[in-house]
Amino acid sequence: DSGVTQTPKHLITATGQRVTLRCSPRSGDLSVYWYQQSLDQGLQFLIQYYNGEERAKGNILERFSAQQFPDLHSELNLSSLELGDSALYFCASRPDRGPGSPLHFGNGTRLTVT
Amino acid sequence: DAKTTQPTSMDCAEGRAANLPCNHSTISGNEYVYWYRQIHSQGPQYIIHGLKNNETNEMASLIITEDRKSSTLILPHATLRDTAVYYCIVRGYGNKLVFGAGTILRVKS
Repeated sequence: DSGVTQTPKHLITATGQRVTLRCSPRSGDLSVYWYQQSLDQGLQFLIQYYNGEERAKGNILERFSAQQFPDLHSELNLSSLELGDSALYFCASRPDRGPGSPLHFGNGTRLTVT
Repeated sequence: DAKTTQPTSMDCAEGRAANLPCNHSTISGNEYVYWYRQIHSQGPQYIIHGLKNNETNEMASLIITEDRKSSTLILPHATLRDTAVYYCIVRGYGNKLVFGAGTILRVKS
């Protein structure tokens, strides 16, 4: 168990809808990262937050947004969903314990858009 | 972040050591080498990381060459549960992890 909790585990929704994925980082970890993994693509970095502020952006669509709250949990909002958004969405957190401290991943939310 | 090259797949007999190579010839001085694995759509699992020196933990050993241009992850006694995709990643401080295709390790009985 990595200590990173993601909810829900599974989500099935229709095209055009909006969903929110939630991530609780490991206790004390200030950095949160979101990744997307589709069947035909590898793990793609979406966005990073550090202590409530956006730090880095990857291949995140404009229909997607995220935020990190004062209690350090993070939410990834996906709107106007398309079939191609079906994927596994992973959250990871990293402690501030030196430059090399590793990311730890949750077990993901599987999103199915029908 | 430096790019890494890994074999597409490898087989290993159960109980034997699995040695997974990774080439990172463009690594720079402040970049760490990380190894993760992913078992069947679960979240990537952190295994080990290092900067210059060889490292060992309860899961594996990491051997980094003196010039830092390549490394080897060693699982000392592979079991069927070690069958997974193994990712070697080079990352600079504060940067995100960039995942490649990894190596599919198949442990066979």
